Amino acid sequence: GAGVSQSPSNKVTEKGKDVELRCDPISGHTALYWYRQSLGQGLEFLIYFQGNSAPDKSGLPSDRFSAERTGGSVSTLTIQRTQQEDSAVYLCASSLDSGQPQHFGDGTRLSIL
Amino acid sequence: AQSVTQPDIHITVSEGASLELRCNYSYGATPYLFWYVQSPGQGLQLLLKYFSGDTLVQGIKGFEAEFKRSQSSFNLRKPSVHWSDAAEYFCAVGLTLGNDMRFGAGTRLTVKP
Repeated sequence: GAGVSQSPSNKVTEKGKDVELRCDPISGHTALYWYRQSLGQGLEFLIYFQGNSAPDKSGLPSDRFSAERTGGSVSTLTIQRTQQEDSAVYLCASSLDSGQPQHFGDGTRLSIL
Repeated sequence: AQSVTQPDIHITVSEGASLELRCNYSYGATPYLFWYVQSPGQGLQLLLKYFSGDTLVQGIKGFEAEFKRSQSSFNLRKPSVHWSDAAEYFCAVGLTLGNDMRFGAGTRLTVKP
């Protein structure tokens, strides 16, 4: 596919469980971003990867959140010990490099029971 | 502090009517400006962007936006709205096109038949 792919599209889990969200960026895009969109809210920046540089984690809301990007391509966002306030749509975006507009995936809707 | 404001949470217009969605920003310098659209259950799609030059920019789907430095605004317009334009619209602003891009809270557009 030509676009950013995220999986799963929907995830329902119990409070306290760990979840992993996956993002496949557009091939060749060096920059990758994770955002969170809570109900009625705008987009909240979480983390940013650019090439081989250390990621910018300044937007992660707590130490329960972490992300990695293996081989400069696929990224995984992990939320440990999920809480109900983690319920949101998690969006991934990629861009050719940090100077180009971002292309977004369809998001993963996470629901914590 | 840097901020992006979309004053209208929800707007309803009749099909065929004109549309203007407001976006104001507060940054120390002229930022890069974007409008994204998010259809239900979809990711975000870039409508248009302003980097420099002509302050009236044309985008996809018949949308345009005008950058007004004196008002720190970047309002989105469309002369005649179609039912398929019903979606959530996000204004985004950044200084470096990288990880500092921030989004407004969004404006939900409803189109009446």
